[in-house]
Amino acid sequence: RKEVEQDPGPFNVPEGATVAFNCTYSNSASQSFFWYRQDCRKEPKLLMSVYSSGNEDGRFTAQLNRASQYISLLIRDSKLSDSATYLCVVTPNQAGTALIFGKGTTLSVSS
Amino acid sequence: DAGVIQSPRHEVTEMGQEVTLRCKPISGHNSLFWYRQTMMRGLELLIYFNNNVPIDDSGMPEDRFSAKMPNASFSTLKIQPSEPRDSAVYFCASSHNRGGNQPQHFGDGTRLSIL
Repeated sequence: RKEVEQDPGPFNVPEGATVAFNCTYSNSASQSFFWYRQDCRKEPKLLMSVYSSGNEDGRFTAQLNRASQYISLLIRDSKLSDSATYLCVVTPNQAGTALIFGKGTTLSVSS
Repeated sequence: DAGVIQSPRHEVTEMGQEVTLRCKPISGHNSLFWYRQTMMRGLELLIYFNNNVPIDDSGMPEDRFSAKMPNASFSTLKIQPSEPRDSAVYFCASSHNRGGNQPQHFGDGTRLSIL
């Protein structure tokens, strides 16, 4: 089983739609979780951290389900500029430990 | 503030040649990471350093790959000799190491093509 698994997509949605991505992780000891965004031919950039209680940042909501070992990202009111690849990232809670990336889910928002 | 700086941005060379990739982390960050990204395998960690010391190099594919961090503001990733299958985007990232996991900041990457 891969350490971090994501549906590669692509998810093709119209502007204004709500879209959700899930990600599963295999290491139950994982403590820190993030969503990164990567635009075509660009570097990954942190979108948001994922906290145990769930957290929201504008149109973006992240949730963590430790029992089932999955993380979700919900995007409301999709914009054209949301088109990108969204990378699910997990890591053990050890200072300086590298991140483990999923291969990403591609989102395409069309007008 | 300057982000992570990588050079060169693009490199095209013939197989068998030595390739050296360079990275300057964000000032004050004491963890540095080298990743490789391909369509097939996604983002893979090659090696990372804490306070200039290599901590985990288990992701380095073969002895042809080596990395150094002579000081807090500079790191190199060297491939010698290079092979076509080394073609990928190589990213350097840095973060604070101050307990718990801190988000990493990536450079623009080096797009490497080995002919």
